[in-house]
Amino acid sequence: AQSVTQLDSHVSVSEGTPVLLRCNYSSSYSPSLFWYVQHPNKGLQLLLKYTSAATLVKGINGFEAEFKKSETSFHLTKPSAHMSDAAEYFCVVIQGGTGFQKLVFGTGTRLLVSP
Amino acid sequence: DVKVTQSSRYLVKRTGEKVFLECVQDMDHENMFWYRQDPGLGLRLIYFSYDVKMKEKGDIPEGYSVSREKKERFSLILESASTNQTSMYLCASSFGRGPASTDTQYFGPGTRLTVL
Repeated sequence: AQSVTQLDSHVSVSEGTPVLLRCNYSSSYSPSLFWYVQHPNKGLQLLLKYTSAATLVKGINGFEAEFKKSETSFHLTKPSAHMSDAAEYFCVVIQGGTGFQKLVFGTGTRLLVSP
Repeated sequence: DVKVTQSSRYLVKRTGEKVFLECVQDMDHENMFWYRQDPGLGLRLIYFSYDVKMKEKGDIPEGYSVSREKKERFSLILESASTNQTSMYLCASSFGRGPASTDTQYFGPGTRLTVL
């Protein structure tokens, strides 16, 4: 079965410094992977999506993620954090074969951005 | 813009009450989903529907049922609420046809349910 592991429950950065949120996946075939963001009291919003095209995926708000098969990783990065990036981030993999395609969520990483 | 709305942002109910959570999407999506979100557990799928009157169990369907009488509306029902159902409930929808779709899911703002 497909799964994802988010390696950090909390990440703290200063405004203007780089962001790295780590995600490793487990999949028996080439996976579809996503990053979603959830701001306080809001629903989840799709940041970016990997579906076996380019390994470097660019998303909204300056975020990007690189699919590395050799490392089974899909880390989310941003060169310079902004205060508005403070939120919870979820790494997600699609689980399923020829039947129902289900989203499997990681446990989330809360990003804290200090001035 | 896709819009998924949920009937309540906050809800407080008593143990044993029947609870209805409503979700409406305005993009003519085929698939709709109900999740619950708990700290440290991420989101877990309760039920999904890929067509009107069609429903399938997710990972944690016990204690819940669903109804989809119209394409745009998907209801989650707690037949007899219990304290362990205190949680954040999120509805989502996606365009794809059928359960094998990998289309992006769009989420509502969530309903925070407290069962006393």
